[in-house]
Amino acid sequence: SAVISQKPSRDICQRGTSLTIQCQVDSQVTMMFWYRQQPGQSLTLIATANQGSEATYESGFVIDKFPISRPNLTFSTLTVSNMSPEDSSIYLCSVEDPTTGELFFGEGSRLTVL
Amino acid sequence: DAKTTQPPSMDCAEGRAANLPCNHSTISGNEYVYWYRQIHSQGPQYIIHGLKNNETNEMASLIITEDRKSSTLILPHATLRDTAVYYCIACSQTSYDKVIFGPGTSLSVIP
Repeated sequence: SAVISQKPSRDICQRGTSLTIQCQVDSQVTMMFWYRQQPGQSLTLIATANQGSEATYESGFVIDKFPISRPNLTFSTLTVSNMSPEDSSIYLCSVEDPTTGELFFGEGSRLTVL
Repeated sequence: DAKTTQPPSMDCAEGRAANLPCNHSTISGNEYVYWYRQIHSQGPQYIIHGLKNNETNEMASLIITEDRKSSTLILPHATLRDTAVYYCIACSQTSYDKVIFGPGTSLSVIP
């Protein structure tokens, strides 16, 4: 299993600012995933982050808005840039067990944009 | 669009078995059925997965039909703590970069 820590757990931000969310895993993993969960909705995959390469973004998400770093096999960051109230969501980091395909999730970062 | 369909909500009496259905009629031969649940304000939690055989672990049982077009997650003795949104996902075992979460089933366990 993997234990994932996310920071911050929650934050309230002003429109137009940017926030960086950190994701730390207690073991080395190849693939890390960032999801968004808007209020009352299911999870939507933002991007896949592999160490040593550019993140792969899903349709509707772009690097300028959600830049991702993956400096090593245990850490990743997601930045939400130039925030608007529509970015108010829970952002979740996830990793995969390569043997079973099981996904492990962090507790999420709840972002409120005023 | 999600590859699976689930009822949006279900109720279950505490102590009874909760049977959560999932339709995955377009599942391909190398895709597994995974179940997760998300308790309010927490990250999703893995429950169980299977390919074609029925599976059981300490949390639940998974029954997959012979044609693999549908499955049922069984919580044998539901408790109030099982109240959550349950997600059924069909995907290959090592290719999570295209996992699509559907809306899931909101299970309410009633005292």
